[in-house]
Amino acid sequence: AQSVTQLDSQVPVFEEAPVELRCNYSSSVSVYLFWYVQYPNQGLQLLLKYLSGSTLVKGINGFEAEFNKSQTSFHLRKPSVHISDTAEYFCAVSDQAAGNKLTFGGGTRVLVKP
Amino acid sequence: GAGVSQSPRYKVAKRGQDVALRCDPISGHVSLFWYQQALGQGPEFLTYFQNEAQLDKSGLPSDRFFAERPEGSVSTLKIQRTQQEDSAVYLCASSLSVTSGSMGYEQYFGPGTRLTVT
Repeated sequence: AQSVTQLDSQVPVFEEAPVELRCNYSSSVSVYLFWYVQYPNQGLQLLLKYLSGSTLVKGINGFEAEFNKSQTSFHLRKPSVHISDTAEYFCAVSDQAAGNKLTFGGGTRVLVKP
Repeated sequence: GAGVSQSPRYKVAKRGQDVALRCDPISGHVSLFWYQQALGQGPEFLTYFQNEAQLDKSGLPSDRFFAERPEGSVSTLKIQRTQQEDSAVYLCASSLSVTSGSMGYEQYFGPGTRLTVT
């Protein structure tokens, strides 16, 4: 069985400061990893994904994430946040054997302060 | 182009009523997923279709939950005899087939239906 742990439920950060959202997963098979963002009263939007290849993945809106197989982590980073980055962020894992259904972490709420 | 749409966006049901939630996936998307998101939590998988075939329904919480996709396009999630614990946002997502390469692993989500059972 797969599981995803997002270590921080809330992350307050000042505008233009860097942010890192932590994600650890457990799985007995090779996995695909995703980060989604959810704005209030909206569905989830894909920020970036790791399927294979380079462990440093760049996504939309200036976000990037690094896959670390030995630490089973997939932390999300942004060097300089904007007010508009205030949202909930979800890390998710899937495996092809399970039909690509996603297992999500509990989410991290990012609040960007001016 | 049009994304995934869901209707209604909001639904209030009295305990014991039946509800039906609709999902219109992106045209041409083979895979369709339903997730349940309780307040303050991450989404949890309910069920998965490949065209009209329901290949995985392991996440459905009880036999009161039923999903269908009869023509391989629009899907309906039905909840019978709703209970208060069914209150949640129900998210639908669609994707290309995984045989489409890396794009097949990207799920596109609708805005969700917020169900409140009173």
